[in-house]
Amino acid sequence: SQQGEEDPQALSIQEGENATMNCSYKTSINNLQWYRQNSGRGLVHLILIRSNEREKHSGRLRVTLDTSKKSSSLLITASRAADTASYFCATDDNYGQNFVFGPGTRLSVLP
Amino acid sequence: NAGVTQTPKFQVLKTGQSMTLQCAQDMNHEYMSWYRQDPGMGLRLIHYSVGAGITDQGEVPNGYNVSRSTTEDFPLRLLSAAPSQTSVYFCASSWQRNTEAFFGQGTRLTVV
Repeated sequence: SQQGEEDPQALSIQEGENATMNCSYKTSINNLQWYRQNSGRGLVHLILIRSNEREKHSGRLRVTLDTSKKSSSLLITASRAADTASYFCATDDNYGQNFVFGPGTRLSVLP
Repeated sequence: NAGVTQTPKFQVLKTGQSMTLQCAQDMNHEYMSWYRQDPGMGLRLIHYSVGAGITDQGEVPNGYNVSRSTTEDFPLRLLSAAPSQTSVYFCASSWQRNTEAFFGQGTRLTVV
């Protein structure tokens, strides 16, 4: 069963703009992770945020978590063409054991 | 440091054939898992292992077998390939099941 779902499904922006992707989930979680996948490649871990954290930063990435709304957002500031990829959120499954991935957001950054 | 290595990268099978997808990690991770990725559906967990000798089923285990005889290796076996198993398969490893996962480059499997 799918726990998290990203929104929007696809996003197209100009280089230099900020990109925001959202993830909504259904049941309480312990952790939420964001991953990036370049075309034809494996997933790369970006950030893990725990349920007792509200915000985390890593370089140009900012992740927020609102457990009351069961949602998270990933913000990429000053986007670059190299940020073009699919972005996935992963949340604990209903048993809090394994991570379940959403269908992803396809981000296109145009030069 | 190789990380997670999957072989082969591409494979075409005929319906009914069997094969093994190989996965090896050199990070001494206890937790390993196999996912399949289909268009518009994200990644779905097939099988996972929390350590050598221990495996369990994920969301979509039917038609697949796994074993974990060593910490490093976690092969995925397709018993009798079906066209519905056409997909991209990813192996991943992590220290624990809820920590950062490292993914292999994937195996693109086509069953005709």
